[in-house]
Parts: sequence; C-alpha cells; structure tokens
Amino acid sequence: QVQMEQSAAEVKRPGASVRVSCKTSGYTFAIFEVFWVRLAPGQGLESVGWVNPGNGHTKYAHKFEGRVTMTSDMSLRTVYMELTNLTSEDTAIYFCARGPESMTEFWGQGTPVSVSS
Amino acid sequence: DIQMTQSPSSLSASVGDTITITCRASLTIYSFLSWFQCKPGKAPRLLIHSASRLPSGVASRFSATRSGTDFTFSITGLEAEDFAVYYCQQSYLSPPTFGGGTYVE
Repeated sequence: QVQMEQSAAEVKRPGASVRVSCKTSGYTFAIFEVFWVRLAPGQGLESVGWVNPGNGHTKYAHKFEGRVTMTSDMSLRTVYMELTNLTSEDTAIYFCARGPESMTEFWGQGTPVSVSS
Repeated sequence: DIQMTQSPSSLSASVGDTITITCRASLTIYSFLSWFQCKPGKAPRLLIHSASRLPSGVASRFSATRSGTDFTFSITGLEAEDFAVYYCQQSYLSPPTFGGGTYVE
C-alpha cells in the first residue's frame, strides 16, 4: 500500500534553514508529483509547492519562491523540502502528499517545525 | 492566482444534522475541486475529488456538487467523528490552493 513517511520534528532559530524529508513506498515513485502543504497554528492549509521525482520539475507557491527548494532522490524514493531564512511565521506542521494534484489521497503524518529564538 | 472563498468559517451542529459548506472560485476551475477533512494531530483526509466523486472508503453521507464556479459540500446525518475542519481545494491551476476552512463544532 502507498505510504508516505516524514522526518521527525524540528526546532530552529530565526534565520536558519530546515529540511524535511518524505520517504515513499508502495507505488511507482517517478510517476506522481509529491506536494507539500503546511498548517500553521490558527491558520488554514497552505500549499508550498510540488516536485516531480521523475524529471525534477518543481512548482512553488509565489509566497515561497526564493526560499524553498524541493528535490528528490530516486534511489531512496525520498522527497525533500528545504525552507531557508525561517521566521516565526514558518512555525507549522508540514505535510507531504502524493499526487495527482486533483486527487491527493495519500499523505504523510506531518512534520512539526517550530521557529523560535 | 485563483481565490477560493469558503463559507461559513464556522458552524455549530449536532449529531444527526445535515450541514452544508460552500466554496466559490474566483474564476472557472471546471471540476478541479477537492474537499478535505482536518483533525488535530492527523493528516488531511480527502473526502471528495473532481467536485463530486468519493474516493474508495469514504462514507456515503459525504456528498458534493458543482454549479459553475460554486461548489457545495454536505454531510447528511452528522456523526460524532465528523466534528472537524473542512477545506476546499482547487487544482485547476498549480500549485493547488485552499479555501479558508470551515470549523464544524
């Protein structure tokens, strides 16, 4: 069955960077995009962007362009999201989800990222 | 960017009630609309895709319709486990964007 296993919680200082991983199994890795979505305290769901592991193509939400990089490792079946220059507003739970984007049925368990001085 | 206007932002209901949530897209998104359920400590759960289709395993008390750029989500016969936050999501333009959410309490 499809599984999306995310890395553990992170605590970062303002200005630092964080890399969250999403290890996949149970499907052909190269075929589906992997999406990243976050849920901040008191806020709604927010798309960060996606990466296509098959060709490396990415698409980032305007808000995160210049600060986010999404990559994939075919040998590990793992997708990564790196967010730089963190602020307290980046404190959130970050989720990965498998595409297609019209039907994101399979999600990771979420990775809490806390940014605090 | 496509704006998704979701209403109401919260509603109060009881077990057995029927509730309805609406989402309006700022431009046509055809049927590229999904509905998700969010609970604390859990990943979002896909309840509806393609505006009105239920994924395998989703209970039939959940339903949704589309009329132009207006989308409606309903739960008929609310159950205790349905108290959660619900979001619409458009996937016509990439990356997908979400409505503001509806808290069902």
